[in-house]
Amino acid sequence: EAAVTQSPRNKVTVTGGNVTLSCRQTNSHNYMYWYRQDTGHGLRLIHYSYGAGNLQIGDVPDGYKATRTTQEDFFLLLELASPSQTSLYFCASSDAPGATGQNTLYFGAGTRLSVL
Amino acid sequence: QQKVQQSPESLIVPEGAMTSLNCTFSDSASQYFAWYRQHSGKAPKALMSIFSNGEKEEGRFTIHLNKASLHFSLHIRDSQPSDSALYLCAVSDQGGRALIFGTGTTVSVSP
Repeated sequence: EAAVTQSPRNKVTVTGGNVTLSCRQTNSHNYMYWYRQDTGHGLRLIHYSYGAGNLQIGDVPDGYKATRTTQEDFFLLLELASPSQTSLYFCASSDAPGATGQNTLYFGAGTRLSVL
Repeated sequence: QQKVQQSPESLIVPEGAMTSLNCTFSDSASQYFAWYRQHSGKAPKALMSIFSNGEKEEGRFTIHLNKASLHFSLHIRDSQPSDSALYLCAVSDQGGRALIFGTGTTVSVSP
């Protein structure tokens, strides 16, 4: 099964702080995604990428930057963290979509971020 | 922008009963539809997916898709306590490169 590793698993920062969440996948997947999960909102797409150097904007991008440095590594940056960004963050990866659409997403274990 | 909604928000079913979950979406051009399951404290994991109208069965799980009605559903036959989890439906976005998830349905199966 696909392996997606997120770090750190837990992070506490203060309002205005600078945070970087890391994600590495070792399955040669082209696509990588960042989602946040909040009660009552399900999973919301922040940013995604379909290759090194590529970035695509998701549904809730405000306050977030992302960078895909290699095929394996995808980072989510919060440069001025706010309490509204307190959430559970998931990274996921997948192969390129097939002829009829998406392929299966494989998720990491998540990073729980608290902004005080 | 794709909008995905789920109902009900939560559900309690007795062991052995049928569990039925619903998902509606806004973009009739969507091509890929999936269900994910997330046990408490764990990551979401893919359960089943479907591309074309109709029904698909895998073991105790069945997906129904009706694109014209902008609706698809998941049915779990003979529900077990291990089926207790958050169920998330997902639909491909306009470009077909990302999945948009619903708000989730929490299922509790009582022994």
